[in-house]
Amino acid sequence: NAGVTQTPKFQVLKTGQSMTLQCAQDMNHNSMYWYRQDPGMGLRLIYYSASEGTTDKGEVPNGYNVSRLNKREFSLRLESAAPSQTSVYFCASSEVGGLRLFFGSGTQLSVL
Amino acid sequence: GENVEQHPSTLSVQEGDSAVIKCTYSDSASNYFPWYKQELGKRPQLIIDIRSNVGEKKDQRIAVTLNKTAKHFSLHITETQPEDSAVYFCAASLGNSARQLTFGSGTQLTVLP
Repeated sequence: NAGVTQTPKFQVLKTGQSMTLQCAQDMNHNSMYWYRQDPGMGLRLIYYSASEGTTDKGEVPNGYNVSRLNKREFSLRLESAAPSQTSVYFCASSEVGGLRLFFGSGTQLSVL
Repeated sequence: GENVEQHPSTLSVQEGDSAVIKCTYSDSASNYFPWYKQELGKRPQLIIDIRSNVGEKKDQRIAVTLNKTAKHFSLHITETQPEDSAVYFCAASLGNSARQLTFGSGTQLTVLP
């Protein structure tokens, strides 16, 4: 099992460009999450999907959209990237009714 | 919403000594409290968790204690080793839902040989 797989690992964007971060899990988990990690601020929840077909905003959703494509895949889209979105992005998943998170390896995103 | 404060932000200990990291939370309805370890350049990984119906939980050299009245919980690492050096994050569930975690800001633990 690969666990949680994220692509790409690194990305550099110019202000105003768009991109989609991909995430897939092979653990048959119902819930999936997108977090961003900034120095000194821990991990902050952007969006989550409690189950296939549902998505909800987290703590810092502005500037992002998500799609739960199926049970395995949960993507994060930046429609018009801003320097404030420079961060490390982590996708995670958990079993139904649980919060034991399994994280992907992260995406280092720089917006110039 | 939930607010989780974590202290200290950095901690250095001698190999073999104990390390303690403390977190406080604001929502009295929170009922799940995990700890994650993140090595440099790696993903966060769950090392131990506790639910609000339990006061203490141990796993080898790691233990977590919870004081619901005071709304704080702590991570204890005994007999520290260089491989314990990492950033440690506490978290608390948002209320009693199983849908969201709020993370603390992290503690950089350095174990000096």
